Amino acid sequence: DTAVSQTPKYLVTQMGNDKSIKCEQNLGHDTMYWYKQDSKKFLKIMFSYNNKELIINETVPNRFSPKSPDKAHLNLHINSLELGDSAVYFCASSQIAGAGYEQYFGPGTRLTVT
Amino acid sequence: AQSVAQPEDQVNVAEGNPLTVKCTYSVSGNPYLFWYVQYPNRGLQFLLKYITGDNLVKGSYGFEAEFNKSQTSFHLKKPSALVSDSALYFCAVRDMGDYKLSFGAGTTVTVRA
Repeated sequence: DTAVSQTPKYLVTQMGNDKSIKCEQNLGHDTMYWYKQDSKKFLKIMFSYNNKELIINETVPNRFSPKSPDKAHLNLHINSLELGDSAVYFCASSQIAGAGYEQYFGPGTRLTVT
Repeated sequence: AQSVAQPEDQVNVAEGNPLTVKCTYSVSGNPYLFWYVQYPNRGLQFLLKYITGDNLVKGSYGFEAEFNKSQTSFHLKKPSALVSDSALYFCAVRDMGDYKLSFGAGTTVTVRA
C-alpha cells in the first residue's frame, strides 16, 4: 500500500507547455506539501495545504498553482514551463500542520523541460 | 527565522565503523528536529525526530541522534555502519509555532565494504 503517491513519475515536456502533477495520500493526514528538489539536491518548500486551506505559499512564480480538492489530494499545475523548472517535485503529508509531526514523502516526479 | 547547516557534503566510512553526520540549527524558539534519508531516485524517508524530553533519540535502522541545546546541534549517529546505509541524509528543523520545515543541504554518506 503506497502511503503517498504521485503521478506521473517522469514528465518530459517542451518550454511553454502547461502540465500537472497529481498527489494522493491514504494516511488520513490533514496536511499536504509540495517541495522542489533541484539538481544539487537542495529541497525547497513551495506550498502547503491544511485540510484544503493554503497555509504555506513560498515565493514561487505564479505560473505554479496548487489545488487541493480534498484533504487526501494535492495537485500542482504549472503554466508556461521554463527550462529552470526542471527538477524533482516531491509531495508530502503530515498528520497535522506544524508541531512535531514528521512528513511522509512521495516517490517524486522528475520534470524535464526541453 | 530558522535554518539548518550540514557542514559536510560527504562522509566516507568503512563498513563496521561508527558513522556520524553533523547538523547544527538556528531557531528563535524551541526546535523540532528531524533526520531523513534519501536513496537514489527515491523519496525521503523519515529516520527519527526530537520533540522534547530525552536528548538521545533512537530511530529506524539502528540510527540515533543526540540533541545538544547549548551547541544547537543534532548529530546523527550509527555505531556500526553498513554498505546499505550509503545514501543522502537530510537534517531538518521546525521552529515551534511555525508550519514550515527547513532542510539542510544534505550529506552524502558512502560506506565502503
